[in-house]
Amino acid sequence: SQQGEEDPQALSIQEGENATMNCSYKTSINNLQWYRQNSGRGLVHLILIRSNEREKHSGRLRVTLDTSKKSSSLLITASRAADTASYFCATVLQGGSEKLVFGKGTKLTVNP
Amino acid sequence: DTGVSQDPRHKITKRGQNVTFRCDPISEHNRLYWYRQTLGQGPEFLTYFQNEAQLEKSRLLSDRFSAERPKGSFSTLEIQRTEQGDSAMYLCASSLLTGRSYEQYFGPGTRLTVT
Repeated sequence: SQQGEEDPQALSIQEGENATMNCSYKTSINNLQWYRQNSGRGLVHLILIRSNEREKHSGRLRVTLDTSKKSSSLLITASRAADTASYFCATVLQGGSEKLVFGKGTKLTVNP
Repeated sequence: DTGVSQDPRHKITKRGQNVTFRCDPISEHNRLYWYRQTLGQGPEFLTYFQNEAQLEKSRLLSDRFSAERPKGSFSTLEIQRTEQGDSAMYLCASSLLTGRSYEQYFGPGTRLTVT
């Protein structure tokens, strides 16, 4: 079963705008990760945030984590057409194996 | 190329046939994972290995599925008596077990179509 639920399921924006995607999960986690997947391809790791962290930055990416609400958000600033992809949050459960439990993803389209 | 590779990239088979996929992880990585992804869904965990030991199997992995990593390097995933419901992208990932690293590196996937 899938742990996370991303919101929205699809997002369409113009180049230069910011894109925000949200993820909710159900059980206690060790860490939460965001991955990007271009159409029909493998996944690329973007950023990891640990359960004791609240915010993390990497380039144009900003991730927040609220463990009390069991939710995370991914912000992509100054979007580019090349950011068009599906974005997935994935959790590593606390006390469990290191397998990733993915949500259903947000399909982001950045229009030039 | 030091990334994760998978072979074949595409496989079309008839219902009832057996298929085998191969995954070559990043060479120094000791953990190897298999996931399955259907259209419009996120990947779902199937199984993972630490070196040659299979440490966990999902309930999704029916008795028609078997995975091996005989020498702790490459891995194979075999599906026997394929069914149309097995049609999916099969993703392999690898990682290096360290104290604080959980990042997984994914291969391009093998897309299976069962007709």
